[in-house]
Amino acid sequence: SQQGEEDPQALSIQEGENATMNCSYKTSINNLQWYRQNSGRGLVHLILIRSNEREKHSGRLRVTLDTSKKSSSLLITASRAADTASYFCATDIQGGKLIFGQGTELSVKP
Amino acid sequence: DTGVSQDPRHKITKRGQNVTFRCDPISEHNRLYWYRQTLGQGPEFLTYFQNEAQLEKSRLLSDRFSAERPKGSFSTLEIQRTEQGDSAMYLCASSLAGSGYQRNTGELFFGEGSRLTVL
Repeated sequence: SQQGEEDPQALSIQEGENATMNCSYKTSINNLQWYRQNSGRGLVHLILIRSNEREKHSGRLRVTLDTSKKSSSLLITASRAADTASYFCATDIQGGKLIFGQGTELSVKP
Repeated sequence: DTGVSQDPRHKITKRGQNVTFRCDPISEHNRLYWYRQTLGQGPEFLTYFQNEAQLEKSRLLSDRFSAERPKGSFSTLEIQRTEQGDSAMYLCASSLAGSGYQRNTGELFFGEGSRLTVL
């Protein structure tokens, strides 16, 4: 079963714009992670935020976590055409086993 | 390349046949995971191992599915009597888990997947 619900399901923006994706989950977590997947490929880890953290940055990525609302957001700033991919949030609720959301399909137009 | 490798990358089979997928994790990783992903969906957890012990199996894993990790290194996922509904991408991932590991980051490293098409 899926733990995470992601919003929007699809997002289309112009190069240079920011992209924001949201993830909601149902149960308490150890950490929340974001992954990227190019079409037909495996997933690549982007960033991990622990349950006691509220915000984390990595390059052009900014992740926030609100455990009271059971939600997280991923912001990609100054998007590039190469950022076109599907993005998934995943929750670690049981010491290492990740449950993935349905994903947001991001299209960045040059 | 010392990443996670999966074989075969693509498999086309007829309904009722058996198929087996192999996953070679990153060598020092003690955990290995199998996920299934259908088009437009997120990966669904199937099962995972710590060393050679299978820690959990999803309800999605019917009795036609079996996974092994006999020596705590590579793993196989076998599907017997395949059905058209088994058509999906089967993803393997590995990680380093447990206290005392300095490099335990919690992230999973995925292979490129094995795509199964059942005709």
